[in-house]
Amino acid sequence: DVKVTQSSRYLVKRTGEKVFLECVQDMDHENMFWYRQDPGLGLRLIYFSYDVKMKEKGDIPEGYSVSREKKERFSLILESASTNQTSMYLCATKGRVDEQYFGPGTRLTVT
Amino acid sequence: AQRVTQPEKLLSVFKGAPVELKCNYSYSGSPELFWYVQYSRQRLQLLLRHISRESIKGFTADLNKGETSFHLKKPFAQEEDSAMYYCALAYSSASKIIFGSGTRLSIRP
Repeated sequence: DVKVTQSSRYLVKRTGEKVFLECVQDMDHENMFWYRQDPGLGLRLIYFSYDVKMKEKGDIPEGYSVSREKKERFSLILESASTNQTSMYLCATKGRVDEQYFGPGTRLTVT
Repeated sequence: AQRVTQPEKLLSVFKGAPVELKCNYSYSGSPELFWYVQYSRQRLQLLLRHISRESIKGFTADLNKGETSFHLKKPFAQEEDSAMYYCALAYSSASKIIFGSGTRLSIRP
């Protein structure tokens, strides 16, 4: 069974803080993704990584950066959190087969 | 540009009635399409993919290239089908996947 874990289920941060969201997978998958999930907008891809130290921008990368130093870990960084980054953040992985496996999500509130 | 459209934000049907969740896509290449489901308080998970041509939990979806559609259907809805459903398109050698805006399905008893 693929296991994708995210460091926090709920997080509350202040405007301007630097925020780290961590995702860890245990299936040796090459591809990892960060999405944000908002009502009426669905899932929007922020960044994805197809290998260690490799990353590619998704549809809404502004205000975010990522880090993948090890294959099993993919971090999303909000350099200076803003209220419009309040959202549910989902991490996902994908191996050679097309199916994506999702983490439980982190609900981030920026006040 | 690639796009996935789910025109209905909310679909409410009675238990036992047929269900159809609509999905249209825009992609110039050969599409790989999926339906994902998120039940209350659970993580998003794959429901079915078009290449498998399978039925999962009574749901089926047929790819219609002429109409660029991949609608999800079930002949008799059950209360446990209430969930959020997302249609998704994989492209760029399947490395990238984009999702529609989702349809919330509510089954009334």
